[in-house]
Amino acid sequence: KNQVEQSPQSLIILEGKNCTLQCNYTVSPFSNLRWYKQDTGRGPVSLTIMTFSENTKSNGRYTATLDADTKQSSLHITASQLSDSASYICVVTFPTSGTYKYIFGTGTRLKVLA
Amino acid sequence: DTEVTQTPKHLVMGMTNKKSLKCEQHMGHRAMYWYKQKAKKPPELMFVYSYEKLSINESVPSRFSPECPNSSLLNLHLHALQPEDSALYLCASSHGTGEGNYGYTFGSGTRLTVV
Repeated sequence: KNQVEQSPQSLIILEGKNCTLQCNYTVSPFSNLRWYKQDTGRGPVSLTIMTFSENTKSNGRYTATLDADTKQSSLHITASQLSDSASYICVVTFPTSGTYKYIFGTGTRLKVLA
Repeated sequence: DTEVTQTPKHLVMGMTNKKSLKCEQHMGHRAMYWYKQKAKKPPELMFVYSYEKLSINESVPSRFSPECPNSSLLNLHLHALQPEDSALYLCASSHGTGEGNYGYTFGSGTRLTVV
């Protein structure tokens, strides 16, 4: 069964610290993996997208890695800020029947404290 | 314009009301989506429109009725909803459903409360 699992479910860190969020998937075949940031009550905003051949992708203080062999991805946040408090969602895309389907992970809720 | 605009941002409706959610994008995207998201859960796909035609209906109850008047607009008509339908309704668009390497652009959502 195609699944996307994220860990931890929630995380609290102090402002200025780094953190790493994990995403493991069992989706096959695989097209790409995206990380989104979702503020409470708002729509998700794309942070990074990586295809099968990409190992790392950065967007400012956000760096995503992908290991397609072990089917694992991580999102590293450097020098966290209060505004990083949000849910982070991993989404895996796979081709099926001439189109693409998207599987959402359950998300990691990050809280950054002053 | 690189946004997906959803209106209204908040909606409170009774179980006998009829209301509509609206979504608009001017990025030339040919695929548009409705998602439902409950608190602390990932978004759940409801409908997919590709080139203005309904291509996916994820067994959504008929009290939700989607409509795509043109390539820039997507509506979700609501009728006889239940309190458990209260959720954040997200609209998204992408270049096309057959182009998986492009990402979604999400709207900010409509927070729906059914009383």
